[in-house]
Amino acid sequence: GAVVSQHPSWVICKSGTSVKIECRSLDFQATTMFWYRQFPKQSLMLMATSNEGSKATYEQGVEKDKFLINHASLTLSTLTVTSAHPEDSSFYICSVSPPAGQGPNEQFFGPGTRLTVL
Amino acid sequence: AQSVTQLGSHVSVSEGALVLLRCNYSSSVPPYLFWYVQYPNQGLQLLLKYTSAATLVKGINGFEAEFKKSETSFHLTKPSAHMSDAAEYFCAVSEGYGQNFVFGPGTRLSVLP
Repeated sequence: GAVVSQHPSWVICKSGTSVKIECRSLDFQATTMFWYRQFPKQSLMLMATSNEGSKATYEQGVEKDKFLINHASLTLSTLTVTSAHPEDSSFYICSVSPPAGQGPNEQFFGPGTRLTVL
Repeated sequence: AQSVTQLGSHVSVSEGALVLLRCNYSSSVPPYLFWYVQYPNQGLQLLLKYTSAATLVKGINGFEAEFKKSETSFHLTKPSAHMSDAAEYFCAVSEGYGQNFVFGPGTRLSVLP
């Protein structure tokens, strides 16, 4: 399957600081990337859809000013958690889906980033 | 709107026994259905997918699933469980190419020696 990388894999930060998570699509150019959040023992919840060159589409209840998404290139999307608080501690996972005709209809997931806010 | 339910948040089987993980979905259009496996602190790995071709889908690691439209189900099975199968399993539905996925709540599979 296609390779999707995330960096960092694990980050611990103090409350009030901002954290940037990178998601890279290594095998194809991705016009769309998805960001999910997973709390312990729970399923993945879609946070936002990241569109290259345009504003991200956020799911209901996700604060766009708190979770800043930048999809500046076809291979990189970043999620910045601004003014992080302990309740933002979670496992953040990105995924990419190949453009139509350039790969299988499935999502390829990154390895995830575990964020712990103290 | 799409939704996915997975009956049983935790399933335990003995090594060598049949594995059956249940998934039911709802979708307003013919769905694409997926099963993913997640090991602790890792991302998701695709086990298999249904995209309107054969209703019985074979995946990796000996897993297979059958799409039953009349039952709106896509249950995952494996004839003989291995210890290495212990993980979290997620069923997901998508309404089309490039559309976001909706995940079920997940089922944790434990395999007992």
